[in-house]
Amino acid sequence: QIQLVQSGAEVRRPGASVKVSCKTSGYTFTAHYIHWVRQAPGQGLEWMGWINSDSGSTDYAPKFQDRVSMTRDTSTSTVYMELSRLNSNDSAMYFCARQSAVLSVKVFDSWGLGTFVSVSS
Amino acid sequence: DMPMTQSPSTLSASIGDRVTITCRASESISTWLAWYQQKPGKAPRLLIYEASILQSGVPSRFSGSGSGTEFALTINNLQPDDVATYYCQQYNSPWTFGQGTKVEVK
Repeated sequence: QIQLVQSGAEVRRPGASVKVSCKTSGYTFTAHYIHWVRQAPGQGLEWMGWINSDSGSTDYAPKFQDRVSMTRDTSTSTVYMELSRLNSNDSAMYFCARQSAVLSVKVFDSWGLGTFVSVSS
Repeated sequence: DMPMTQSPSTLSASIGDRVTITCRASESISTWLAWYQQKPGKAPRLLIYEASILQSGVPSRFSGSGSGTEFALTINNLQPDDVATYYCQQYNSPWTFGQGTKVEVK
């Protein structure tokens, strides 16, 4: 079955970086984009960006453009999201999500369980 | 970014009720709208896409409607398992979510 398994919770100091992984299985890795969505405690969902798992091309939300990087390793079917210059507002659950393979239907049909990142001095 | 406005923010209903959540886009998004269900401590789950198409495995008591700027998610015969927060999402460009509607049982 389709699985997106994320790395464990992280604790960082303000100004540091964090790299979260999302290991996929159960489908053809290169056939689906992967998105990252975050959710601060008690808040709604915020889209961060996507990576084309085949080509490696990316597109980021303007809010994160200058401090997020999404990469992938096709040999392990894993996607990574690195966020730099962390501050307390970045404390949140970070989800990876698979985009539907149907090009016109850009919805997220499978999700990881989430990785909580805590930023505190 | 295109903001999506959901209402109400919280909804309390009885088991068996029909409930409706609305979502409004600031400009037309045709039918590029999805609905997700999120239970506490869990990842979101896709319910509906293209405004009205039920994702595989989703109970038929869920339905979606609308086009352009006005959309609705309806839950017929509300069940205890439906207690969750529901989000609309537009995927015209780029992706944005509504602020969520928490559904509670009276």
